[in-house]
Amino acid sequence: EVQLVESGGGLVQPGRSLRLSCLASGFTFSNYGMNWIRQAPGKGLEWVASISSSSSYIYYADTVKGRFTISRDNAKNTLYLQMTSLRSEDTALYYCARDPMFDYWGQGVMVTVSS
Amino acid sequence: DIQMTQSPASLSASPEEIVTITCQASQDIGNWLAWYQQKPGKSPQLLIYSTTSLADGIPSRFSGSRSGTQYSLKISRLQIEDTGIYYCLQRYSNPWTFGGGTKLELK
Repeated sequence: EVQLVESGGGLVQPGRSLRLSCLASGFTFSNYGMNWIRQAPGKGLEWVASISSSSSYIYYADTVKGRFTISRDNAKNTLYLQMTSLRSEDTALYYCARDPMFDYWGQGVMVTVSS
Repeated sequence: DIQMTQSPASLSASPEEIVTITCQASQDIGNWLAWYQQKPGKSPQLLIYSTTSLADGIPSRFSGSRSGTQYSLKISRLQIEDTGIYYCLQRYSNPWTFGGGTKLELK
């Protein structure tokens, strides 16, 4: 059974940093591209970042480019999102999702940016 | 960036009815279109990919189609469990973009 489990969220002050993790199981993690998608409270879905299976290709939404870094450790079956210079508008539920076409999603992890 | 304009924003329908949700792409995206269902308090679930292909385990009551740059999700024989928010997604060109969502309520 494919499982994606996010962790690392919480309450953080504006300007600070946070690292999210997504632990994958039930499939060969190193064969799949992965993504982070977020959903602000009561709002729709927003794609944040993508990384290819071997980390050769990485893409970011303009809203996070230069502040967020997506990475992965295929030996640990784990996807990461390093978030720096956090802003109140980054407050959201963050999901990891598998390529292609986001066919599996985690349960999400909440990030709240507030003083 | 490619804009995905989804309509309607909300709709209410009765069990056994047929409903259609549409997404208008701002430019050609070929068949790089997917549909997701998000039930209250849950993660989104893939329904349709590549415009018309049904994801694993999804009932055949769900179907997708395309006319030019307009994409449609049709739900036949509505069931109570179809309540939720539906989103389209284009994966043709980065940044990948979602439609604004359609909230479906069952009467």
